[in-house]
Amino acid sequence: ETGVTQTPRHLVMGMTNKKSLKCEQHLGHNAMYWYKQSAKKPLELMFVYSLEERVENNSVPSRFSPECPNSSHLFLHLHTLQPEDSALYLCASSQTLVQPQHFGDGTRLSIL
Amino acid sequence: LAKTTQPISMDSYEGQEVNITCSHNNIATNDYITWYQQFPSQGPRFIIQGYKTKVTNEVASLFIPADRKSSTLSLPRVSLSDTAVYYCLVGDGQSNAGNMLTFGGGTRLMVKP
Repeated sequence: ETGVTQTPRHLVMGMTNKKSLKCEQHLGHNAMYWYKQSAKKPLELMFVYSLEERVENNSVPSRFSPECPNSSHLFLHLHTLQPEDSALYLCASSQTLVQPQHFGDGTRLSIL
Repeated sequence: LAKTTQPISMDSYEGQEVNITCSHNNIATNDYITWYQQFPSQGPRFIIQGYKTKVTNEVASLFIPADRKSSTLSLPRVSLSDTAVYYCLVGDGQSNAGNMLTFGGGTRLMVKP
């Protein structure tokens, strides 16, 4: 139990669907992150939020849209995804940007 | 951007001490060094973080030489359950948030009976 909960754990969707991934932390952390991990590839940082403001966006396609309504919740809205977007999507949080991150166990996303 | 270099894989046997070294030749003055462990289909787990000299906690030690251009994660008496991928990250989280959060390929440790 890391204190970071991601739902759903598994998601299968078609390319025309719209879905959202949810991340929740009650650790009192001020920074939250989305990562993508494809098979046999390193984790790729997608988005960083600090105090609910986006501070990093690593050239992620617009079909991925993050939302951070408060410091405890982070969403990743998905729309018109491609087969290459199939991956493990990991959420993490930390007290500050320099403190160690606590990761959830991810959402395994499969695009048909 | 402080780039890190680690061995791709390592093998060990139960009960042995394992040392994984990470090179970070262009580490900046304010950068910290952080190590994570990742099991298949799980998120990475924080192991240890340090700035200089030696840091020890209940699961590992981190050795950092004076020039800080490398660091060594030491796992005492490994068991089969320590088989995982280990990542070294370097950054300060301030001047470049992404710097602190750049995971390389990691080191795949295989512990054998």
